[in-house]
Amino acid sequence: QVQLLQSGAEVKKPGASVKVSCKVSGSTLSQLSIHWVRQTPGKGLEWMGSFDPEVGEPLYPQQLRGRVTVTEDASTDTAYMDLSSLKSDDTGVYFCATDLFRGSFPLFDLWGQGTVVTVSS
Amino acid sequence: DIQMTQSPSSLSASVGDTVTITCRASQRINRYLNWYQHKPGNAPKLLIFATSSLERGVPSRFSGTGSGTDFTLTITTLRTEDFATYYCQQTYGTPPMFSFGQGTKLEIK
Repeated sequence: QVQLLQSGAEVKKPGASVKVSCKVSGSTLSQLSIHWVRQTPGKGLEWMGSFDPEVGEPLYPQQLRGRVTVTEDASTDTAYMDLSSLKSDDTGVYFCATDLFRGSFPLFDLWGQGTVVTVSS
Repeated sequence: DIQMTQSPSSLSASVGDTVTITCRASQRINRYLNWYQHKPGNAPKLLIFATSSLERGVPSRFSGTGSGTDFTLTITTLRTEDFATYYCQQTYGTPPMFSFGQGTKLEIK
């Protein structure tokens, strides 16, 4: 079955960047939309960005535009989320997710296990 | 971007109770509304999609209603495993921007 396997925990200093990976198994990236969501103590769940092959370009929320970049490597079926200019309130758990159902209403029905990112001086 | 406002932000209830969580969108989103359950240390879990469709394997004590801008999640006959944080998510637009509500933490009374 399809699985999403994320990279391990990261500890970064303020101002640095972090890159989290999400490897697809049981399918290929070309068939899946990959979404990035984080859970931080202050803000709950926050959508960070997506790449849908049917759209053909990444999508970002207004509040993170310019700091977050989502990319994909089709040769390894791995998606990446890069967050720059890290601050202490970026500390949290970062998830990738996908829509396996692919119906008329988008949804996130399969999730990676999460990657803990800690930003501390 | 569409803003989602959930209420209440926290809720205390007992096993066997029925609870309702509401979610309001800043503009009409038709039926493009999902609900997730999130427990610490786990990935979020999809409960309901398209306002009222139950995800496979989710117990029927969970139900969703609404349209336009106002939506509700109802959990009947609460069980201990239902105590978690619940989020609504809108997926309206072409392409959609997937904003979440701020969450409702359901705690045991």
